[in-house]
Amino acid sequence: NAGVTQTPKFQVLKTGQSMTLQCAQDMNHNSMYWYRQDPGMGLRLIYYSASEGTTDKGEVPNGYNVSRLNKREFSLRLESAAPSQTSVYFCASSEPGARETQYFGPGTRLLVL
Amino acid sequence: AQSVAQPEDQVNVAEGNPLTVKCTYSVSGNPYLFWYVQYPNRGLQFLLKYITGDNLVKGSYGFEAEFNKSQTSFHLKKPSALVSDSALYFCAVSRGYNQGGKLIFGQGTELSVKP
Repeated sequence: NAGVTQTPKFQVLKTGQSMTLQCAQDMNHNSMYWYRQDPGMGLRLIYYSASEGTTDKGEVPNGYNVSRLNKREFSLRLESAAPSQTSVYFCASSEPGARETQYFGPGTRLLVL
Repeated sequence: AQSVAQPEDQVNVAEGNPLTVKCTYSVSGNPYLFWYVQYPNRGLQFLLKYITGDNLVKGSYGFEAEFNKSQTSFHLKKPSALVSDSALYFCAVSRGYNQGGKLIFGQGTELSVKP
């Protein structure tokens, strides 16, 4: 039982390049989330998927797109990377509902030059 | 607007002493409150949560948190700190029952426990 896994662990991009961050969970959770973590700002929600087939914007969606490929997988795509997207990205999953605990992956560290 | 504040960027404690990491919140309705810990270069790990009931919540690694509705606080505590408790701690509040479980995080508090 691996929990939430993310690939890659680290990536360097040049401005304008695109990439997809992958996330998968094996806990059979319905809800999945993408966050970014920046120093002094905590975690901010980029996109979330309440269930398979649905996605919605979070606090900071600009410059990102997501795909809920199936119940297990939720990917985050940067179409044209910008230096402002340098951050650590975390994927999380949970059962739906405000009371439910979210479980986090190990993170992807992204540097955009 | 719903928000979470962690007023201290850093807390320094001597090993064996009690520790407190502070959190205050602003949310409409009944809050669901969480504490997470992040060790260097790792993801966030769940420590404990308050949903309803007893105001003192016990969690992992000997941590506990006290929910205080009148002061809108949810401070994290541990009676005797360990050097291995040194990490980044996040308080979070759920946006509410109709918001799909989305969390609002505080900015984090760096806990440093010295031998």
